[in-house]
Order: sequence, then C-alpha cells, then structure tokens
Amino acid sequence: GAVVSQHPSWVICKSGTSVKIECRSLDFQATTMFWYRQFPKQSLMLMATSNEGSKATYEQGVEKDKFLINHASLTLSTLTVTSAHPEDSSFYICSALAGVNYEQYFGPGTRLTVT
Amino acid sequence: EDKVVQSPLSLVVHEGDTVTLNCSYEVTNFRSLLWYKQEKKAPTFLFMLTSSGIEKKSGRLSSILDKKELFSILNITATQTGDSAIYLCAVADFGAQKLVFGQGTRLTINP
Repeated sequence: GAVVSQHPSWVICKSGTSVKIECRSLDFQATTMFWYRQFPKQSLMLMATSNEGSKATYEQGVEKDKFLINHASLTLSTLTVTSAHPEDSSFYICSALAGVNYEQYFGPGTRLTVT
Repeated sequence: EDKVVQSPLSLVVHEGDTVTLNCSYEVTNFRSLLWYKQEKKAPTFLFMLTSSGIEKKSGRLSSILDKKELFSILNITATQTGDSAIYLCAVADFGAQKLVFGQGTRLTINP
C-alpha cells in the first residue's frame, strides 16, 4: 500500500514555456502532499506543502507565482513550473502523508530539463 | 530552525565491511526520525524511529535513536555493492508535518 506516482517521469521543455507535473496517491487519500526539488549531489529541498482544498504553503525563497501548486482532490496534487528557465532544471519529487504516524511516501520523481 | 546534520558526507568501503552512518538533529517538537535510501530515483523508506534505545532491524540494516543526545545511527553489516546509494536522514516535528532532511551520506561499496 501507500503508492505515490508522478507523471511525467522525464520532461524537456523550451525556455519560457510552462510544465505541469502530477502527483497521485494511488491507493490512499492524501490531504497533505509535499513538493521537493533536488539538484545533483544535493539533498532534497522542500519547496511547498500542498493541502487539499486550500492554498499551498511555500518555503522561504520559493516563488509561489512561478511554482503553482494545486491540490484539487484527495489523490492529486499538481506543480506547474511557469515560464521555465534553464536554472529550473532539476529533479522534482512529491510525497504524500499517510498512516497514523504521518509517514511520507515518495513518488518516483520527475526530471525536468529546460533548454 | 529545525536542523539535521549527517556524517560522513561521503564514505567508500570494500564489500563485506560494516559501516555506521550518523545523523544529529535539532528540532523544536520532535515526532520522529526517518532514514531513506536514494539510488537513481526518489528516496525509498528504510526506518522510522520514535523511541530512544529501541533498535529497528531489517536484514543487514539496523538503526537506533538517542533522544537525549539527539542523534541516530544507521548500521549496515556485510555490505554489498547494491548498498551503494545516498542515505538520507530526516526529522519530523508535531507542528509542521513536514520533513527536514540532512545533506545525505554518499556510500560507495567497492567490490
């Protein structure tokens, strides 16, 4: 149980375009999901906390108008990178809270390359 | 501000060796400490620790938490090349629900 999927797993886009990444909890409902980014050889950096039916909470330094998060249902959160730039190229990972101990289950990640 | 520090940042050993990875933390309202293994994709869950002094074990991996000294260790015995990965430690607090990650330890097992 507690499987999280992400789509797409890999995307290349041109500078200036927008890209949407989906995060789904497949066999459970998740009122809270998290979005992370990870640069090569670095640890995971939390970008925002996504709560179903309400606005996301962004970490300091993360532009909310650039990284749009929508958590419209209990099984789906989306991250849209707007007006992408090459420096947005990174590995984006989502996770969902599940279980009585609030364990986080991670999706497989999405590798974004902006050319 | 919550903080997690892992050491060493990088470790190279030979197959068959035993390794110990360290994680120290500072968190306002501690709920749990988690260990993850990350290979090429997203992290996979290893252990969640909430109580001091109780060892969690899974095969050749084991972990223990010391809530008084604010640290945890992850042991891997009889290492294999498949253990090569980045090992991440994270802490969760009751208030925020989010995880704060350490920098990770990059473990390389040479045959």
